[in-house]
Amino acid sequence: DQQVKQNSPSLSVQEGRISILNCDYTNSMFDYFLWYKKYPAEGPTFLISISSIKDKNEDGRFTVFLNKSAKHLSLHIVPSQPGDSAVYFCAASGRGSTLGRLYFGRGTQLTVWP
Amino acid sequence: DARVTQTPRHKVTEMGQEVTMRCQPILGHNTVFWYRQTMMQGLELLAYFRNRAPLDDSGMPKDRFSAEMPDATLATLKIQPSEPRDSAVYFCASGFGLAETQYFGPGTRLLVL
Repeated sequence: DQQVKQNSPSLSVQEGRISILNCDYTNSMFDYFLWYKKYPAEGPTFLISISSIKDKNEDGRFTVFLNKSAKHLSLHIVPSQPGDSAVYFCAASGRGSTLGRLYFGRGTQLTVWP
Repeated sequence: DARVTQTPRHKVTEMGQEVTMRCQPILGHNTVFWYRQTMMQGLELLAYFRNRAPLDDSGMPKDRFSAEMPDATLATLKIQPSEPRDSAVYFCASGFGLAETQYFGPGTRLLVL
C-alpha cells in the first residue's frame, strides 16, 4: 500500500527552465515532508523539507509547496541545471503521531538537457 | 564531515553463500534503517532500530535475512543463504528519530550469481 505516490516516473526539462516534481500522499497523519535527490551509484541525499504548519519552504533554487487539503506537495527547481539530473524521492512522516518512520515514494527521474 | 559509512561497497557472491553488510551510523544518531533498492520496488524498507533495539523487521524475508546492532556504532545485515533475487543495492540510513530526516550511506551493491 503506497502511502506516498510519485505518479511521474520521469521528467525532462531544458536547462534554465523550471522543473516541477509532484508528490501525493494518502495518510492525513503525515505532518513532515521531505525531498531527497539521488545520483547513480550514490545514496539518497536530503534536499529540502517542510512541516505541515507551512505551505512553502525555499532554499536557493529549490522550493517545496505543500497543499494539505489536496494532500499534495511539489518541488520546484528554478532555474534547472544539468547537474540537477537525478532521481528525486518524496518522503513523509508523522512526527506528531505514532506513524513513526519515513514513507518514500518510488522516485521521479529528472533529466535536464542543455 | 559526519556521514554514514557502509562496507563493502560492492559484493559479488555465489548463490547459497552468506553475505554480511555493515553500516556505521552518524555518531549520536539513535535510529538506523536498512533499505533495499530495486528497479521494481523503489526504496524498500527492510528493518529499523531505535537505540539499538529492533523496532520492525517486517520488510525482511525472515528465513534468510537478519539485522542486528551489536553496538551503537555498528549495524549489520546478513543474508544466509543468499539467492540471485537478493541482488540489489542495500542502503543504511541513520537519524535522530523515527520521523525525522534520515541520512543515507553510499550503499552496498550486491550481486548474487
